[in-house]
Amino acid sequence: DTAVSQTPKYLVTQMGNDKSIKCEQNLGHDTMYWYKQDSKKFLKIMFSYNNKELIINETVPNRFSPKSPDKAHLNLHINSLELGDSAVYFCASSRGTGGDNSPLHFGNGTRLTVT
Amino acid sequence: AQSVAQPEDQVNVAEGNPLTVKCTYSVSGNPYLFWYVQYPNRGLQFLLKYITGDNLVKGSYGFEAEFNKSQTSFHLKKPSALVSDSALYFCAVKSGGYNKLIFGAGTRLAVHP
Repeated sequence: DTAVSQTPKYLVTQMGNDKSIKCEQNLGHDTMYWYKQDSKKFLKIMFSYNNKELIINETVPNRFSPKSPDKAHLNLHINSLELGDSAVYFCASSRGTGGDNSPLHFGNGTRLTVT
Repeated sequence: AQSVAQPEDQVNVAEGNPLTVKCTYSVSGNPYLFWYVQYPNRGLQFLLKYITGDNLVKGSYGFEAEFNKSQTSFHLKKPSALVSDSALYFCAVKSGGYNKLIFGAGTRLAVHP
């Protein structure tokens, strides 16, 4: 059973479109994250939610909007897609909010290509 | 601001030889350090962490890491490399009260038969 699952795995779309990426975790974790990995494999945190509340919000264009309907799901909606949004987006989850330094569990990523 | 540096883009090792993947850190306060591994087309997997206590930390798949406060380093090691260890390795430091990890640029490990 996949612990952190993301859909779709691949997403090819044109500039200006709006798209969503879904993430679900079945680990019973309280905290979920979105990370972006660029073409040079550099990883940067975008957002984090704990029990449906936003706790980390990095400097990300407001075209990116996370939504957490419950603590097992964290979706990422992107408006007006740009070429520079092309990347691999990783969802992750962890137990707690960080005080116990619990490790992150990552999904397998969604490769977004904007043409 | 917290940061980590991985000075090597790639490390090449022969199978059976010991391997070291380097990481140095810069933090204010106590360092909370992590190593993750990424196989092709997969998400990152946790290997080990240093929070406090013994400087030598043991983790998954036979990996270990040595925390050195005076050199501000947290190098990943394995006594005998396997071809299957070939992957991208990331060092990370925790920043702030929440579980926000700042990752290094990654080091590609290539183990040759």
